[in-house]
Amino acid sequence: DAGVIQSPRHEVTEMGQEVTLRCKPISGHDYLFWYRQTMMRGLELLIYFNNNVPIDDSGMPEDRFSAKMPNASFSTLKIQPSEPRDSAVYFCASTHGPVVTGLRQPQHFGDGTRLSIL
Amino acid sequence: QKEVEQDPGPLSVPEGAIVSLNCTYSNSAFQYFMWYRQYSRKGPELLMYTYSSGNKEDGRFTAQVDKSSKYISLFIRDSQPSDSATYLCAMSEDNFNKFYFGSGTKLNVKP
Repeated sequence: DAGVIQSPRHEVTEMGQEVTLRCKPISGHDYLFWYRQTMMRGLELLIYFNNNVPIDDSGMPEDRFSAKMPNASFSTLKIQPSEPRDSAVYFCASTHGPVVTGLRQPQHFGDGTRLSIL
Repeated sequence: QKEVEQDPGPLSVPEGAIVSLNCTYSNSAFQYFMWYRQYSRKGPELLMYTYSSGNKEDGRFTAQVDKSSKYISLFIRDSQPSDSATYLCAMSEDNFNKFYFGSGTKLNVKP
């Protein structure tokens, strides 16, 4: 089975430029999460979607960050304008809601986008 | 205070040792407990997943949950150099989709 696919794997750009990160969740998963990982702060949840609808964006640091999920197989995280402090590894994860047992399912992660803002 | 606390390590052990990794938490509503392993430059991969209290064993890995103490553990028996990675704990409430992650413990198993 194909896992969560993220692109690009690496992105280096100058401060002020627009950055777009992409994610393809596992087919059939109806929840999608965007995380940011840094040495200082660990793994932080930025936003998550259920059935393509944003449910909780309280982790989005500023208005410079925006996320969309136009369909069940694609999501983007955009930073505009980018700043050096946005440098981090950005992960996308997906899961599906409680199945027959009613138990919540764990998340499956992509390999991340390593973002460097100069 | 963070929701989930985890010692960052690094933890260095000889091959074959038993490894104990731990997390503490403050939210008594957490019901789902997970351990992820993250290799360098890769995404976290799920290792163990438990609901509520008790133990769960999978090969060389054992996960324990003590809800009365708000403490979870991951034990690795007969540790191998290939176990060298960062281990993150994660937890979630029963009716809430947010997963709260620890900061990760870096483990190095020396041959």
